[in-house]
Amino acid sequence: DSGVTQTPKHLITATGQRVTLRCSPRSGDLSVYWYQQSLDQGLQFLIQYYNGEERAKGNILERFSAQQFPDLHSELNLSSLELGDSALYFCASSARGNSGNTIYFGEGSWLTVV
Amino acid sequence: AQTVTQSQPEMSVQEAETVTLSCTYDTSESNYYLFWYKQPPSRQMILVIRQEAYKQQNATENRFSVNFQKAAKSFSLKISDSQLGDTAMYFCAFMKRNAGNMLTFGGGTRLMVKP
Repeated sequence: DSGVTQTPKHLITATGQRVTLRCSPRSGDLSVYWYQQSLDQGLQFLIQYYNGEERAKGNILERFSAQQFPDLHSELNLSSLELGDSALYFCASSARGNSGNTIYFGEGSWLTVV
Repeated sequence: AQTVTQSQPEMSVQEAETVTLSCTYDTSESNYYLFWYKQPPSRQMILVIRQEAYKQQNATENRFSVNFQKAAKSFSLKISDSQLGDTAMYFCAFMKRNAGNMLTFGGGTRLMVKP
């Protein structure tokens, strides 16, 4: 158990809908990351937050957004969903946002868009 | 941009034997970190081992060790005394130093340990 908690574990929704994925980082970790794992694109970095502020952005679609709250939990919002958004979405956390900090992954949220 | 390549989509090994997974990467950076993550059927991403590029000594974690060849931009993972629980996808990942904490992953190698 990495200490990173993600909910829900599985989610099935229809095209055009909006979903929110939730993540609680390890206790004491200030930085949160979101990654997407799909058959087409492999594992891709989406976005990073550090202590409530956006730190880095990767291949995140404009239909997707995220935030980190004062209690350090994070949410990833996916809107106008398309079939191609079906993927495993990982949240990860590290103590700080500095390079070299070990990143610990949650178990992922399986999103299926039908 | 960095790229990470794992040229072996699938591998298999007999229980108790040794197997080596290959990884090459392309970067113009001189300071960086390299990682191997394991993803078992449960889908959780588990850190196996990490290597700091400025350290010449190869990292070792119990039965897992790496062969880091900086000039060749190669970072292979050796698993000794393979166990059934080692069956998983293995991902090589790159992280630039002093540029945030983002991981760039390779495409993965599926390892099957056979009894």
